[in-house]
Amino acid sequence: GESVGLHLPTLSVQEGDNSIINCAYSNSASDYFIWYKQESGKGPQFIIDIRSNMDKRQGQRVTVLLNKTVKHLSLQIAATQPGDSAVYFCAENRPGAGSYQLTFGKGTKLSVIP
Amino acid sequence: DSGVTQTPKHLITATGQRVTLRCSPRSGDLSVYWYQQSLDQGLQFLIHYYNGEERAKGNILERFSAQQFPDLHSELNLSSLELGDSALYFCASSVAPSGRSEEQYFGPGTRLTVT
Repeated sequence: GESVGLHLPTLSVQEGDNSIINCAYSNSASDYFIWYKQESGKGPQFIIDIRSNMDKRQGQRVTVLLNKTVKHLSLQIAATQPGDSAVYFCAENRPGAGSYQLTFGKGTKLSVIP
Repeated sequence: DSGVTQTPKHLITATGQRVTLRCSPRSGDLSVYWYQQSLDQGLQFLIHYYNGEERAKGNILERFSAQQFPDLHSELNLSSLELGDSALYFCASSVAPSGRSEEQYFGPGTRLTVT
């Protein structure tokens, strides 16, 4: 079936460098995308979202880019810090039947090297 | 802290048993979503309730059921438990059922271990 997937399962980054986490989605009907961060032993934490009528959105140290042509989503973290170490999930929100259901990718583990 | 609470934090039980997981959404949120997170399947959507009514079902087994009460807290009931049901169970809440703002805030999860 259709799913959201990730290109890289693990990513190691030097502290202070920028991180880029990628995600591919397959459902062209999805119109809302979210990035979540999950630290060990905790629930997913909302980072940033983007709607399909946008191609870029910036938050504090994070930027999400959406390329609908190739169904690709990326999360950029500027000046990566040790506290950014976590698993990052992209999720797509598929409209339908009066409910939005989040479909999650497998996740990418980000390790920040001090 | 997301404002979503879940109890218990850990649960260990035997195969064939039945358990109930509880979730209290953030104040003001009407929607509650349940997710299962296992090592091999990742985060899977189970079911969504809005203001007491079921709105959508995902990959939820027939042995599982849920409900949302008038005070908006929700319970996920898992019965005839199997070893494969061992997982983290998260609930999330949001304001709208299918509005334009669909940020879902996750609770800390319940870790279920079936032995």
